[in-house]
Amino acid sequence: GAVVSQHPSWVICKSGTSVKIECRSLDFQATTMFWYRQFPKQSLMLMATSNEGSKATYEQGVEKDKFLINHASLTLSTLTVTSAHPEDSSFYICSASSGTGQYEQYFGPGTRLTVT
Amino acid sequence: GENVEQHPSTLSVQEGDSAVIKCTYSDSASNYFPWYKQELGKRPQLIIDIRSNVGEKKDQRIAVTLNKTAKHFSLHITETQPEDSAVYFCAASTGNQFYFGTGTSLTVIP
Repeated sequence: GAVVSQHPSWVICKSGTSVKIECRSLDFQATTMFWYRQFPKQSLMLMATSNEGSKATYEQGVEKDKFLINHASLTLSTLTVTSAHPEDSSFYICSASSGTGQYEQYFGPGTRLTVT
Repeated sequence: GENVEQHPSTLSVQEGDSAVIKCTYSDSASNYFPWYKQELGKRPQLIIDIRSNVGEKKDQRIAVTLNKTAKHFSLHITETQPEDSAVYFCAASTGNQFYFGTGTSLTVIP
């Protein structure tokens, strides 16, 4: 089946710094990638949807200047958490879909971000 | 946007019994309804899905039913086993975005 990887799997950073998380589709071309945030024992909250070559579509309440998303190629999307604060600590999961009409999405393993 | 509600939030069943998890959605344009199983610290895994042109789908011990008129769909697990213990999420999608329910923590008691 389709494989999606994320890097890093866990990152600890100091408050005020920026952190970049990569999401890669390893064996298929991901026309659409999704970024989710998940707090402990809670559901996945969709943050944004990105289509290759276009600007990401952010969900209401998600600051696009704080969570920068780039989907420059069909196999790579990045999420940069800028000026991170402790409240940004969370589990970030990406998923990828191969395109229009292909409903199934494939999840990455997630990245645990801890901001101290 | 879409609003997906999921019940119950926690569910405990005896091994061998059935488990039922229910979800409702608000956007009539949603036409794809997957169910995911997530074990602690791991990625969600798709276990079954259904599209809006079908009312029921079954895969061994797992089945999903969809009522488009009432905008609700349910997951049914029969003959539960301890390894079924996990958090289950429903989702609704138009194909462009996916919106998840709040999750159900299922515990199967041996």
